[in-house]
Amino acid sequence: GAVVSQHPSWVICKSGTSVKIECRSLDFQATTMFWYRQFPKQSLMLMATSNEGSKATYEQGVEKDKFLINHASLTLSTLTVTSAHPEDSSFYICSARRPGMNTEAFFGQGTRLTVV
Amino acid sequence: ILNVEQSPQSLHVQEGDSTNFTCSFPSSNFYALHWYRWETAKSPEALFVMTLNGDEKKKGRISATLNTKEGYSYLYIKGSQPEDSATYLCAQEGTSYGKLTFGQGTILTVHP
Repeated sequence: GAVVSQHPSWVICKSGTSVKIECRSLDFQATTMFWYRQFPKQSLMLMATSNEGSKATYEQGVEKDKFLINHASLTLSTLTVTSAHPEDSSFYICSARRPGMNTEAFFGQGTRLTVV
Repeated sequence: ILNVEQSPQSLHVQEGDSTNFTCSFPSSNFYALHWYRWETAKSPEALFVMTLNGDEKKKGRISATLNTKEGYSYLYIKGSQPEDSATYLCAQEGTSYGKLTFGQGTILTVHP
């Protein structure tokens, strides 16, 4: 079964509205989760590292006020796309890793966001 | 090499053929190299996590090698089956824990 669950799998929203995406670690406690974005024909790009109980760490070029990340518990991280615009339309996917060295990443199913 | 690069971008093979893909990555700031298999409408699934130069790992018909000095990894599939059709991603993990830099992937289609 799934180790990381992500919802919703797709969402269509109007320009100017906000959208929340949830990422849950089902099998283990994840102090750190990762949010990626993929534009068509491009690679998965890390947006931010979500840290339980503290502020997220954003990659260069990612607006922290636009992409709000909350990691309030050891099993849940949320990404909120605020005031979405058509250029935010993309595929968003989260991942988590078990504690320890050389561990694989477990991914959610991804969310296809379309802003109209 | 500044980015993680994969080749070819796509590949069509016949059932039973053996195939291989390449992942090139910056040899500096290296901690681990990951391979993932991503089927349509599913989550990416890990195949291998490799850290040692010269390492070779195998899982069934799939194997991978790693050369950290020259910055490349090969993924091999022996006797391809239609169910092997997927996008194969490689990702470099640097010294910042957990952060993965992905290649664009190789899309494999195995024809019956």
